[in-house]
Amino acid sequence: KNEVEQSPQNLTAQEGEFITINCSYSVGISALHWLQQHPGGGIVSLFMLSSGKKKHGRLIATINIQEKHSSLHITASHPRDSAVYICAVASDSNYQLIWGAGTKLIIKP
Amino acid sequence: EPEVTQTPSHQVTQMGQEVILRCVPISNHLYFYWYRQILGQKVEFLVSFYNNEISEKSEIFDDQFSVERPDGSNFTLKIRSTKLEDSAMYFCASNSGPGGTDTQYFGPGTRLTVL
Repeated sequence: KNEVEQSPQNLTAQEGEFITINCSYSVGISALHWLQQHPGGGIVSLFMLSSGKKKHGRLIATINIQEKHSSLHITASHPRDSAVYICAVASDSNYQLIWGAGTKLIIKP
Repeated sequence: EPEVTQTPSHQVTQMGQEVILRCVPISNHLYFYWYRQILGQKVEFLVSFYNNEISEKSEIFDDQFSVERPDGSNFTLKIRSTKLEDSAMYFCASNSGPGGTDTQYFGPGTRLTVL
């Protein structure tokens, strides 16, 4: 069983739609990360959170530690948001990142 | 804004050859990492490095792999005798705190193709 599961694997939406990507994990964590991988391959960290909610522009990340679940929301989605969004958790035993498989998001104009 | 750089962007090599992938982490960072992503698969942790020694390594990081910080700026990953299955994108990352307790900053990656 994967320690970090993301859903959906693929998501196609129209510009302007509200997007939700989910992440569930099965291990004890010290932090959870959301990252964006561009079509060219580069990886950018979006959020690191260990509780509650964080917002940056049109992106919102939430985490529920008790349920071992996190969501990434994108409001007013735009074609430039098209990318792979990856959830990764920092294990509380060795702090190393355990990566999810990613959600491929396509926003159509 | 400071960034992690990696060279080369693409390396093609013959099976059995040695390759060295180079990274320049952000200058005031203390922790350095190598990750691997085989085409179409998820990112995998290879190794973390702190205070001039390996702090953690995965099962992937066997005796064929080594890391080094030869000077104050470079961080290298060496694969001694490349195999076809080493073909992947290799990402270097750095941060100020251990592992995922602090935001990691990633280089653009080196695409390694083993023929």
